[in-house]
Amino acid sequence: DQQVKQNSPSLSVQEGRISILNCDYTNSMFDYFLWYKKYPAEGPTFLISISSIKDKNEDGRFTVFLNKSAKHLSLHIVPSQPGDSAVYFCVRRGYGQNFVFGPGTRLSVLP
Amino acid sequence: AAGVIQSPRHLIKEKRETATLKCYPISRHDTVYWYQQGPGQDPQFLISFYEKMQSDKGSIPDRFSAQQFSDYHSELNMSSLELGDSALYFCASSSRDRGSGELFFGEGSRLTVL
Repeated sequence: DQQVKQNSPSLSVQEGRISILNCDYTNSMFDYFLWYKKYPAEGPTFLISISSIKDKNEDGRFTVFLNKSAKHLSLHIVPSQPGDSAVYFCVRRGYGQNFVFGPGTRLSVLP
Repeated sequence: AAGVIQSPRHLIKEKRETATLKCYPISRHDTVYWYQQGPGQDPQFLISFYEKMQSDKGSIPDRFSAQQFSDYHSELNMSSLELGDSALYFCASSSRDRGSGELFFGEGSRLTVL
């Protein structure tokens, strides 16, 4: 059972436009959701997180929305830049520091 | 500040050999995690340590073992290597004092088993 789902394996967006990456989850017992960005052959880097008690968190060009009733969250990147091209992982942090990764979405920002 | 350091970055071994990967967490981080990422797969959690004690165990094969030492560095020992063990192995560290407790990842150790 995949607890964290990212149903779009890839996404292409024009530079300057909005990128929306989606994530669905099944287990409602979580503390935080985190988004990580990964370039090839590098470790994932932390982008932004959202607490289970919030529905929105914003940091610069990145905003994460959490809809607990739909068990859905999304990462918005505005405006998208070519350097944003990477694989994005949605990660659930359960209680007790248990992290579960989604399968990732490969974002390509086209110039 | 220095990030998570992993060594070696690349390792080539033959089947049935043994390999050891090392991880040096960020200073004052008390928790270390090991992840395995096979080709085309998402990172799979192997094992974690908090304050030198094993805190959680994921899909770590019995052939693998790990420990965290008094200086908080961790080592992942892999024995009787199989071709399927070829993967990128990530170490991550975090501090339980931080709000979201985000993981900080090293650059990974790429293991190739021939």
